[in-house]
Amino acid sequence: NAGVTQTPKFQVLKTGQSMTLQCAQDMNHNSMYWYRQDPGMGLRLIYYSASEGTTDKGEVPNGYNVSRLNKREFSLRLESAAPSQTSVYFCASRETNEKLFFGSGTQLSVL
Amino acid sequence: ELKVEQNPLFLSMQEGKNYTIYCNYSTTSDRLYWYRQDPGKSLESLFVLLSNGAVKQEGRLMASLDTKARLSTLHITAAVHDLSATYFCAVGHGGATNKLIFGTGTLLAVQP
Repeated sequence: NAGVTQTPKFQVLKTGQSMTLQCAQDMNHNSMYWYRQDPGMGLRLIYYSASEGTTDKGEVPNGYNVSRLNKREFSLRLESAAPSQTSVYFCASRETNEKLFFGSGTQLSVL
Repeated sequence: ELKVEQNPLFLSMQEGKNYTIYCNYSTTSDRLYWYRQDPGKSLESLFVLLSNGAVKQEGRLMASLDTKARLSTLHITAAVHDLSATYFCAVGHGGATNKLIFGTGTLLAVQP
């Protein structure tokens, strides 16, 4: 029973490089989310997808793009990484209005 | 725009003491969630509060929701060291849009 799977777990990038964070859930949930966590700032919503085929901006979308590839998968792309994007990224999913299930997180450092 | 505020941000408690964490939010919502995060780990769900006056209890933790005051509380009774963690509240926003906004978290340290 995998739940929400994120890859990679750790990543180091140089400024300007691009990368995609992958997320997949096997619970048949409609909604998926990407959050970033920084010390003292809680979790901030980057993008979310209420259902397959839709995506919406969250609180801090600048510098990111997302793709809801199908019901299972929701990827987050950094086109040109910046040091300000150093953070821990969490993917999560849920059924509409129910509790969130989180992945284990991706620790990203941008040098 | 929905804002979610928690206080205190940091709480140091002695074992056996009681305390309350507060979660205030700025716009109407009828669903509130509490999560726990251990250091270096992901988040796990504690409570889902679905309506005004809702109260949920699990062990030494009790959560309540007052939608009229836009306030939820997480009460800790007779704290033990194992409760040391960061606690987050999150508020549902936007009905069908299913947006979920988190508070800044409360770091709880229970001292022997």
